[in-house]
Amino acid sequence: ETGVTQTPRHLVMGMTNKKSLKCEQHLGHNAMYWYKQSAKKPLELMFVYSLEERVENNSVPSRFSPECPNSSHLFLHLHTLQPEDSALYLCASSQALAEYGYTFGSGTRLTVV
Amino acid sequence: GENVEQHPSTLSVQEGDSAVIKCTYSDSASNYFPWYKQELGKGPQLIIDIRSNVGEKKDQRIAVTLNKTAKHFSLHITETQPEDSAVYFCAGRGNRDDKIIFGKGTRLHILP
Repeated sequence: ETGVTQTPRHLVMGMTNKKSLKCEQHLGHNAMYWYKQSAKKPLELMFVYSLEERVENNSVPSRFSPECPNSSHLFLHLHTLQPEDSALYLCASSQALAEYGYTFGSGTRLTVV
Repeated sequence: GENVEQHPSTLSVQEGDSAVIKCTYSDSASNYFPWYKQELGKGPQLIIDIRSNVGEKKDQRIAVTLNKTAKHFSLHITETQPEDSAVYFCAGRGNRDDKIIFGKGTRLHILP
């Protein structure tokens, strides 16, 4: 365990479903991130939160909706996804926004059918 | 913005030999270069990093070198072991923003 826990580990959902991914860290970090990892592509930064405030939204489609209720928890709400959204979704945290070291969770493997 | 290129995409090395993975970056103001290792079923894990005021850093069998003039940096793994088999990502952090940009990754196979 890295200190960043993601649930569920695997998720299969239909294109009309609504689901949520959860990320939890108890490292005392103040910044949290969502990344998308697809085959043969670099890690894509989706959202950045610092002290529960969203500071980055990297042109992500509105069918992905993040939520950060407190500095320890981060959610990614999913609705009406497309098959090309199938990927590994990784959560990461760092001490502060400008802090160098990221701690990643193990990810949620999402399959959209 | 920063762009990070990583080579090779796949690397096979005999156990006990050395492995070298190379990356280039585009933003001359970048000041931080981490390397991550991702094992099957896990998220990336930071294994070593280097800042722009240092040319080389070593941690046991792992070393990273940085050439700021040429804008490239490399990961060196000596005396490779089966547990070194994984995907390795280089990354660069621009000085103008807080984004860390990752390379596409290198799949390292250690052959018995």
